[in-house]
Amino acid sequence: GAVVSQHPSWVICKSGTSVKIECRSLDFQATTMFWYRQFPKQSLMLMATSNEGSKATYEQGVEKDKFLINHASLTLSTLTVTSAHPEDSSFYICSARGLAGGLRQETQYFGPGTRLLVL
Amino acid sequence: KQEVTQIPAALSVPEGENLVLNCSFTDSAIYNLQWFRQDPGKGLTSLLLIQSSQREQTSGRLNASLDKSSGRSTLYIAASQPGDSATYLCAVLSNTGKLIFGQGTTLQVKP
Repeated sequence: GAVVSQHPSWVICKSGTSVKIECRSLDFQATTMFWYRQFPKQSLMLMATSNEGSKATYEQGVEKDKFLINHASLTLSTLTVTSAHPEDSSFYICSARGLAGGLRQETQYFGPGTRLLVL
Repeated sequence: KQEVTQIPAALSVPEGENLVLNCSFTDSAIYNLQWFRQDPGKGLTSLLLIQSSQREQTSGRLNASLDKSSGRSTLYIAASQPGDSATYLCAVLSNTGKLIFGQGTTLQVKP
């Protein structure tokens, strides 16, 4: 099956620093990538949607200047949490949508997630 | 605005029981509905995907149904095992192209 990877899998940083999370579709080209955030014992909340080569579309309430998304290629998207604070500590999950495995219909695949802890 | 609700929030059953997890959504204009499994601290594993034109999908001991007109889906797990313990998430693909998730049902299957 299609694989989406995230790096790093976990990160601990000091308050005020910036953290970059990479999301890669390993065996297919992703027309669209999504970034989700999940707080403990809560569901996934969509943060933004990005298409290769264009600006990301952010959900209401998500600060675009704080969560910078770059979708540089059809296989790579990055999320940068700028000037991170303890309240940004969360589980960040990326997802990539595309045609994979010979399927005729686009399917959305999820990465394993990145746990961010801001001290 | 599409909203997805899952009931119950948590469920604990003895091994071997059959169980049903419920999912409801407010807007019936969906492309598909998907059930995921999430283990603690891990990402999502897709279990079953039901297209809007379908009524159900089966995979092993899992069976998912979809009643689009009433905005409901159920995930049936037969002969539950301790390894089934996880959080189960229901998500609908809305006509905006976004996956909207429910809050999840945390299942514990006791040996």
